[in-house]
Amino acid sequence: RKEVEQDPGPFNVPEGATVAFNCTYSNSASQSFFWYRQDCRKEPKLLMSVYSSGNEDGRFTAQLNRASQYISLLIRDSKLSDSATYLCVVSHSPGTYKYIFGTGTRLKVLA
Amino acid sequence: GAGVSQSPSNKVTEKGKDVELRCDPISGHTALYWYRQSLGQGLEFLIYFQGNSAPDKSGLPSDRFSAERTGGSVSTLTIQRTQQEDSAVYLCASSSDTYEQYFGPGTRLTVT
Repeated sequence: RKEVEQDPGPFNVPEGATVAFNCTYSNSASQSFFWYRQDCRKEPKLLMSVYSSGNEDGRFTAQLNRASQYISLLIRDSKLSDSATYLCVVSHSPGTYKYIFGTGTRLKVLA
Repeated sequence: GAGVSQSPSNKVTEKGKDVELRCDPISGHTALYWYRQSLGQGLEFLIYFQGNSAPDKSGLPSDRFSAERTGGSVSTLTIQRTQQEDSAVYLCASSSDTYEQYFGPGTRLTVT
């Protein structure tokens, strides 16, 4: 089993739709979680951290489910500019700076 | 402020040659990472440096790969005797105590 798993997609959704991605992780001791966005042939950029209590940033909501070992990203009112690959990132172990990146979920928002 | 910078942005080299890739992290960031990403693939961890601690080299794919970080700032990733399978985008990232990583634009390495 991979340490971090994501559905590769693509998720094709119309503008204005709500879309959600999940990411599962295998190490129950992981403590830090992030979502990154990567545009084609560009570097990953931090989208948001994922806190235990969940967090929201505008149209984006991230949640953590420790019991089932997954994190989620919800995008409301999708925009064409949201089209990208979304990477799930999980810390390797507590107190470490080492992170494991998922292979990403590709989102295409269609006009 | 200035972000992470990497040089060169593109490098084409012949098989068997050595290459050096450079990373300038964000000022004050204590952690520095190297990853590589092959076309259509996820990020592969190579090495990270944290302050004055010994680097975590567990991701380096072979002994042809090495990296150093001088003065806790600039880092150089060296690949000796390059092979075609080394072709990829090499990404550097840095982070502070918040653990959030900020990436440079990458170096696209092509081994012919």
